[in-house]
Amino acid sequence: EVQLVETGGGLVQPGRSLKLSCVASGFTFSSYWMYWIRQAPGKGLEWVSSINTDGGSTYYPDSVKGRFTISRDNAENTVYLQMNSLRSEDTATYYCAKDAGGFDYWGQGVMVTVSS
Amino acid sequence: DIQMTQSPASLSASLGETVTIECRASEDIYNGLAWYQQKPGKSPQLLIYNANSLHTGVPSRFSGSGSGTQYSLKINSLQSEDVASYFCQQYYNYPLTFGSGTKLEIK
Repeated sequence: EVQLVETGGGLVQPGRSLKLSCVASGFTFSSYWMYWIRQAPGKGLEWVSSINTDGGSTYYPDSVKGRFTISRDNAENTVYLQMNSLRSEDTATYYCAKDAGGFDYWGQGVMVTVSS
Repeated sequence: DIQMTQSPASLSASLGETVTIECRASEDIYNGLAWYQQKPGKSPQLLIYNANSLHTGVPSRFSGSGSGTQYSLKINSLQSEDVASYFCQQYYNYPLTFGSGTKLEIK
């Protein structure tokens, strides 16, 4: 059974940093691209980042480029999202997801609140 | 960036009815389109990928169609468990983009 479990969320002040982790199981992690997607409270979905199978290629939308960094450890079946210079508009539930042409499995999500 | 325009924003239908949700891309996305269902308080779940392929375990009353810039999700024989929000998403090009969502309720 595919499982994705995110951790690391919480309340953080504007301008500070936070690192999210997503531990995967139930599939060959190193064979799949991985993604982070977020959803602000009561809002729609926004893609946040992508990483290829060996971590050599990463992608971001302009809204987080230069502030967020995605990485992965294939030995630990884990994908990370380092979030720096956080802003109030980064407040959201953050999901990790597995690639399938679309995202075929999602984690349960972790809440990040940016507030003073 | 490819904009995804989804309609309607909300929809109310009776049990057993057939409903259709539309998504229009701002340029050709060559069937690089997925549909998701999100129930309140839950993570999104993949329904359809490649515009018309049913994801494993998804009931056959869900179907996707379309090409070019116009795509649709059809739900036949609406059931109470279909109450949810539905989102389209293009993965043809970066940045990956989602439609704004359709909230489906039972009348």
